[in-house]
Amino acid sequence: DIPMTQSPSSVSASIGDRVTITCRASQGIASWLAWYQQKPGKAPKLLIYGASNLQSGVPSRFSGSGSGTDFTLSISSLQAEDVGTYHCQQSDIFPLTFGGGTKVEIK
Amino acid sequence: QVQLVESGGGLVKPGGSLRLSCAASGFTFDHYYMGWVRQAPGKGLEYVSYIGSSSGFTNYADSVQGRFTISRDNAKNSLYLQMNSLRPDDTAIYYCARGRAYTNSSVHNWFDPWGQGTLVTVS
Repeated sequence: DIPMTQSPSSVSASIGDRVTITCRASQGIASWLAWYQQKPGKAPKLLIYGASNLQSGVPSRFSGSGSGTDFTLSISSLQAEDVGTYHCQQSDIFPLTFGGGTKVEIK
Repeated sequence: QVQLVESGGGLVKPGGSLRLSCAASGFTFDHYYMGWVRQAPGKGLEYVSYIGSSSGFTNYADSVQGRFTISRDNAKNSLYLQMNSLRPDDTAIYYCARGRAYTNSSVHNWFDPWGQGTLVTVS
């Protein structure tokens, strides 16, 4: 298995702030990482795949970067509708694994 | 539009069984791998199982290996998860999700879209 470690577990920021979430794989996974957004009470939604590719329809304030073991999800200017939990997932090696999630709140 | 609708969740006693179903529509079902992901109350996402477009490939999380069986019926555009020997720690919302197209690289195993989920309670 490839454990995925996300940090921080929660973040509180003001509207318009830049928010950065980190995901670390226990071994190299090239660029085979996805990010999901899960709003309260809803199913997860794919935001970014292949570490840096924005899924269709996702606002451009979201971006992803990284390769190997260290990855980052950034929200350039936090909006109220971005509240929720963000999850990373490695897609390289079975069994697939998710990070523990990062809860994003508005300060 | 692409839609996934899960059903079959409910309350079951420890040691019992349950079969989840996922009805797919809006895309060519037999062109895609499919998966199940669960989320225990207040917890993160946990991968459960994955199946190839023609059922030739299956994979399970260690936590469910030997107890759960994933299957699909492409003629019915349906995905299933047979869950046996259920334990209290299997309590979760179970999501059905579309995986990679069979023509895509074997590492493109992200999930999009997801169903609304079905709650399984083992108590």
